[in-house]
Amino acid sequence: DTAVSQTPKYLVTQMGNDKSIKCEQNLGHDTMYWYKQDSKKFLKIMFSYNNKELIINETVPNRFSPKSPDKAHLNLHINSLELGDSAVYFCASSQVGTVETFGSGTRLTVV
Amino acid sequence: AQRVTQPEKLLSVFKGAPVELKCNYSYSGSPELFWYVQYSRQRLQLLLRHISRESIKGFTADLNKGETSFHLKKPFAQEEDSAMYYCALSGPRIKAAGNKLTFGGGTRVLVKP
Repeated sequence: DTAVSQTPKYLVTQMGNDKSIKCEQNLGHDTMYWYKQDSKKFLKIMFSYNNKELIINETVPNRFSPKSPDKAHLNLHINSLELGDSAVYFCASSQVGTVETFGSGTRLTVV
Repeated sequence: AQRVTQPEKLLSVFKGAPVELKCNYSYSGSPELFWYVQYSRQRLQLLLRHISRESIKGFTADLNKGETSFHLKKPFAQEEDSAMYYCALSGPRIKAAGNKLTFGGGTRVLVKP
């Protein structure tokens, strides 16, 4: 069983569209994250949720809206996609005292 | 503010040669440091963390608080070590839950036969 799973793995879409990326973890962790890895391979945290509560919100455009229906899921919705949003988005989860377990990433390409 | 710097974008070594990936950090508190590895188009995986002081796949890293460094070393590189390596620092826990990992820019290691 995959511990942290993201869907879709690949997403190609046009500028201006709205898209969502889903993430689910079956580890029983309380905290989930979204990270962005840009074309230069820089990796940066975007959001963190703990038990459905937003606890970290880095400087991210408000076109990005995370939603956590329950502590096992953290979805990322992006409105009005721009070329600069093209990146690999990684979901991760952790528990107090553990390090993050990462998903395999969603490669988003905006054309 | 916490910051992690990996000065080398690319390290190219021959198989069997030693490899050292540099990592420097700035953090006002007591840091918790990690090395993550990302093989081609795969997920990030934890390689090692400084508090466990273990060797994984022949890699070791020592936290040097005086030099604020956490360099990753392996005495004899193997072709399967070719990957992207990220040094990361965990900041203060927020609301007693959750980490805030700050990553360095990454170092691509290429081990040539």
